Amino acid sequence: GAVVSQHPSWVICKSGTSVKIECRSLDFQATTMFWYRQFPKQSLMLMATSNEGSKATYEQGVEKDKFLINHASLTLSTLTVTSAHPEDSSFYICSAQERGNDNEQFFGPGTRLTVL
Amino acid sequence: AQTVTQSQPEMSVQEAETVTLSCTYDTSESDYYLFWYKQPPSRQMILVIRQEAYKQQNATENRFSVNFQKAAKSFSLKISDSQLGDAAMYFCAYNKRGKLSFGAGTTVTVRA
Repeated sequence: GAVVSQHPSWVICKSGTSVKIECRSLDFQATTMFWYRQFPKQSLMLMATSNEGSKATYEQGVEKDKFLINHASLTLSTLTVTSAHPEDSSFYICSAQERGNDNEQFFGPGTRLTVL
Repeated sequence: AQTVTQSQPEMSVQEAETVTLSCTYDTSESDYYLFWYKQPPSRQMILVIRQEAYKQQNATENRFSVNFQKAAKSFSLKISDSQLGDAAMYFCAYNKRGKLSFGAGTTVTVRA
C-alpha cells in the first residue's frame, strides 16, 4: 500500500516551453502533497505544499508563477514548470500524506527534467 | 524553524561491519517525529526508520537502529552487518505538523 507515482519519469524540453509533471497516490487519498527539488548530490528542498481543493503554499524564494501547482483531486497533484530555462533542470520529487496521518510522507519516484 | 545537520558527507564501511551516521537537529518543540530515509542510485526515497519524540525507546528495524538523545537533540542511525545493497545516500529528517526538513545527507559506500 501507500504507493505514489510520478509521470513522466524523465522529460527533455526546449527552453521557453512549459512542462507538466503529475503526481498520483494510487491506493490512498492524499489530502496534502508536497513538491521537492533536488540537485545532484544535494538534499531535498521543499518547493511547495498543496492541499486538495485549495491554493498551494510556496516556500520562500520559490516563484509561484513559474512553478504552478494544482491539487484538483485527492489522488492527483500537478506541477507545471512554465517557460522553462536550463537552470530549471533538476530532479523533482513529490510526496503525499494520507488523510488523518501527517506523520509520514510517501514519496514518488521522481522526475528528471532537462531543459535544453 | 527547524534545522537538521548531518556532519558526515561520506562514510565508508566494510561489508558485514557496522557504521553509524550522525544527525543533530534544532527545535523548540517537544512533540515531533524524526526519520531516516535512504536514497539509492534510483533516487527513490525509502523510509528506513521512524522515531516519535515522546517515546524514549530507540526504534529498531532489522539491521537498522537509532540512538535518540532528546535532550541533546541527536538522532544517529546505526547500520549493522552492512550489505552491498545498503550503499546509498541517507537523509535525516524532522517532521512537525506534516512538513519535513532534511539534512544535507550522508553518502554511504560499502566495500566488498
